[in-house]
Amino acid sequence: DTAVSQTPKYLVTQMGNDKSIKCEQNLGHDTMYWYKQDSKKFLKIMFSYNNKELIINETVPNRFSPKSPDKAHLNLHINSLELGDSAVYFCASSQDVGEVYEQYFGPGTRLTVT
Amino acid sequence: KNQVEQSPQSLIILEGKNCTLQCNYTVSPFSNLRWYKQDTGRGPVSLTIMTFSENTKSNGRYTATLDADTKQSSLHITASQLSDSASYICVVSGDTGGFKTIFGAGTRLFVKA
Repeated sequence: DTAVSQTPKYLVTQMGNDKSIKCEQNLGHDTMYWYKQDSKKFLKIMFSYNNKELIINETVPNRFSPKSPDKAHLNLHINSLELGDSAVYFCASSQDVGEVYEQYFGPGTRLTVT
Repeated sequence: KNQVEQSPQSLIILEGKNCTLQCNYTVSPFSNLRWYKQDTGRGPVSLTIMTFSENTKSNGRYTATLDADTKQSSLHITASQLSDSASYICVVSGDTGGFKTIFGAGTRLFVKA
């Protein structure tokens, strides 16, 4: 009964392709996030949704498009993949929006663009 | 510029020994500071959270301290175990009404038998 799950765990694809990463949480949380962890291990927020509404959109290329069909899901679609998109992408959720709420992270999706 | 810097970058200790990891930050105004443990190939897991008024917080063998005046925090691990081998990430959140959470690069801890 994984709290935050992501699929796939590994994704290898070529430049120019379009790919999606799925995320689901069964914690009943209202807020979900996407983070990117680069080779230097820094985690950076990309997007956040609260009750299916986009509330945070950091400086991310518009090739990245999040979609939240319901509160339990936040998927990430990436168009025209580039070499620099190679990273580990983490989904997370929290009870509500705000930094006082603990975030629970998924296991990550390692994306490799060749 | 808001930053979170951790030291050392990596650390090797023998099983059973204690160690202390450091975190310095410049995030202002300050809301809270968290320490996360990230095992290889896994997502980060929260260990402790401290707000401005808290100086210390313990979670089993993990004890975090916070000096909000000097903007420094430390994570002390007592009687280390092999399972403590992981990255420890310091995360500082601001209090600006908007989302301002900065992650440090982490300290990679290796515990050897």
